[in-house]
Amino acid sequence: EVQLVEAGGGMVQPGGSLRLSCAGSGFSVGNSYMSWVRQAPGKGLEWVAVIYSGGATYYSDSVKGRFTISRDSSKNTLDLQMNSLRTDDTALYYCARDISWGQGTLVTVSS
Amino acid sequence: DIQMTQSPSTLSASVGDRVTITCRASRNISSWLAWYQQKPGKAPKVLIYKASNLQSGVPSRFSGSGSGTEFTLTISSLQPDDFATYYCQQYNSYFGQGTKLEIK
Repeated sequence: EVQLVEAGGGMVQPGGSLRLSCAGSGFSVGNSYMSWVRQAPGKGLEWVAVIYSGGATYYSDSVKGRFTISRDSSKNTLDLQMNSLRTDDTALYYCARDISWGQGTLVTVSS
Repeated sequence: DIQMTQSPSTLSASVGDRVTITCRASRNISSWLAWYQQKPGKAPKVLIYKASNLQSGVPSRFSGSGSGTEFTLTISSLQPDDFATYYCQQYNSYFGQGTKLEIK
């Protein structure tokens, strides 16, 4: 059974950094297409970034240049390094493998 | 980037109605499309995967069709539990804007 568990959320000031992690079980993160998705309070679902099994990465325009998606195949984990955080990055962040999602971790950017 | 356009943004319907939500991709995405249902305060729940496959445990009144650039989600007979927001998503990529299904 595919399971995904996110961690690393919290409160950070504007301009700060945060690193999210997602632990996968029941499958190989390194052999999968893995994504981060977020949902700001009261807003719709927003795709953030993807890393393909071959290693290519893609980002939404809203996070390009500030966020970096990566994986550690030895630990079977997916990460999202978030720099230069803004108040509009406040959201519940989910990691996903195709249609399987974790329960999310909350990121709040506020002064 | 492939953009996903979902319509309508709001849909008012009654219990028992048949409703259809449309999702259009800006380029051919074959059948790499999923439909999700989300209720307030809850995580999204997958209804349909690969455009037309019903996820295990999802009632058969839900169905998906389409391929390429045009896709539909149909609910054959609305039940009270179906009033929620629905999203389409190209696998590992963009979502549609969402359709809020409201009680008429």
